[in-house]
Amino acid sequence: GAGVSQTPSNKVTEKGKYVELRCDPISGHTALYWYRQSLGQGPEFLIYFQGTGAADDSGLPNDRFFAVRPEGSVSTLKIQRTERGDSAVYLCASSLLRTGEAFFGQGTRLTVV
Amino acid sequence: SQQGEEDPQALSIQEGENATMNCSYKTSINNLQWYRQNSGRGLVHLILIRSNEREKHSGRLRVTLDTSKKSSSLLITASRAADTASYFCATSQGGSEKLVFGKGMKLTVNP
Repeated sequence: GAGVSQTPSNKVTEKGKYVELRCDPISGHTALYWYRQSLGQGPEFLIYFQGTGAADDSGLPNDRFFAVRPEGSVSTLKIQRTERGDSAVYLCASSLLRTGEAFFGQGTRLTVV
Repeated sequence: SQQGEEDPQALSIQEGENATMNCSYKTSINNLQWYRQNSGRGLVHLILIRSNEREKHSGRLRVTLDTSKKSSSLLITASRAADTASYFCATSQGGSEKLVFGKGMKLTVNP
């Protein structure tokens, strides 16, 4: 595609529910990143994929968060037993070169009520 | 954790004026990047400067990097109302692939 696509753009869920957020990166980009951004803050790193494998998941806050990228393209961020504190904009980015320019999607605004 | 700190946190100027934003960071870096964000959603990459570079230009943007002071500045010349946005610096460090972002700076350009 022309850019990084994230779906849904908005998601409202009840506390305790499971959610999946999808990211479709730019075709050919091997690096894929997930970030979380709270109001008034900068993006906070969650996880980085190089190809199919999670090369760095040090930013995942706890074991309720999990991400996959089974075929090295589309990635899904999964959040179990959602809590109100998980409410944020979840941003996905992809990159062609290591430590190069990252292209961001428009994000998914997750609201846990 | 966030590494970069932008300064000032908010800046309001008139169209046509120059805007300067500063970023300080704590550890050694591979490169430093500046991003713009409108309306709290997707970020747009503006410019990347590598650790062995001192200055870079792109259109109305000029970025400098001082690794001895662990700081960078972004200059936007001849600002336009459309430059109104939040600006973030982000660093790539050591062997890590992740970008570490600052808290951002809100720029308002008044027509």
